[in-house]
Amino acid sequence: DAGITQSPRHKVTETGTPVTLRCHQTENHRYMYWYRQDPGHGLRLIHYSYGVKDTDKGEVSDGYSVSRSKTEDFLLTLESATSSQTSVYFCAISGMSTDTQYFGPGTRLTVL
Amino acid sequence: ELKVEQNPLFLSMQEGKNYTIYCNYSTTSDRLYWYRQDPGKSLESLFVLLSNGAVKQEGRLMASLDTKARLSTLHITAAVHDLSATYFCAVAGWNNNDMRFGAGTRLTVKP
Repeated sequence: DAGITQSPRHKVTETGTPVTLRCHQTENHRYMYWYRQDPGHGLRLIHYSYGVKDTDKGEVSDGYSVSRSKTEDFLLTLESATSSQTSVYFCAISGMSTDTQYFGPGTRLTVL
Repeated sequence: ELKVEQNPLFLSMQEGKNYTIYCNYSTTSDRLYWYRQDPGKSLESLFVLLSNGAVKQEGRLMASLDTKARLSTLHITAAVHDLSATYFCAVAGWNNNDMRFGAGTRLTVKP
């Protein structure tokens, strides 16, 4: 299995609270991605990174920001969580943009 | 905008039977992926299809890609209970990083 961990694995928070999710990889892969998974929608790309300090928006980026200060870590921040951001969040990595993406174990976030 | 449609969304099969899951997409792409997800788990890569006419097989699963028809199929042969899972196709857009997923097909294989 690709060396990808996510933390926390579960989190319950309240509306308006800032939340940061962490993705850590030990594969030294260049590309990292954040997705959210909701019933009936499959996975939707939030943001991705193509190198340290290099990030770009995905399909559903509103309300989210990201940072990547080291190759191994990619952080996803919800500045002010809303109930619509209740979801399961997956991080993925790939060596090249055309490679298969390998997924982390996921973080279940509940915003009350 | 790239859109990906899978059908059926739900599939209940008897063991030993064959069936096909379809993945249609709306704009040109020559890169398609199939993933499997067990309940409460992460996604596991099954196949990568990189060109028109590509066919990949692993055990009872076979995937193919027709880029002209913008269609991929995942064929299940002689289904067994262990194949019960949700299967997703994903298509790379003009930007290889912009991956769009289908809604998934939840497969249940009954004895």
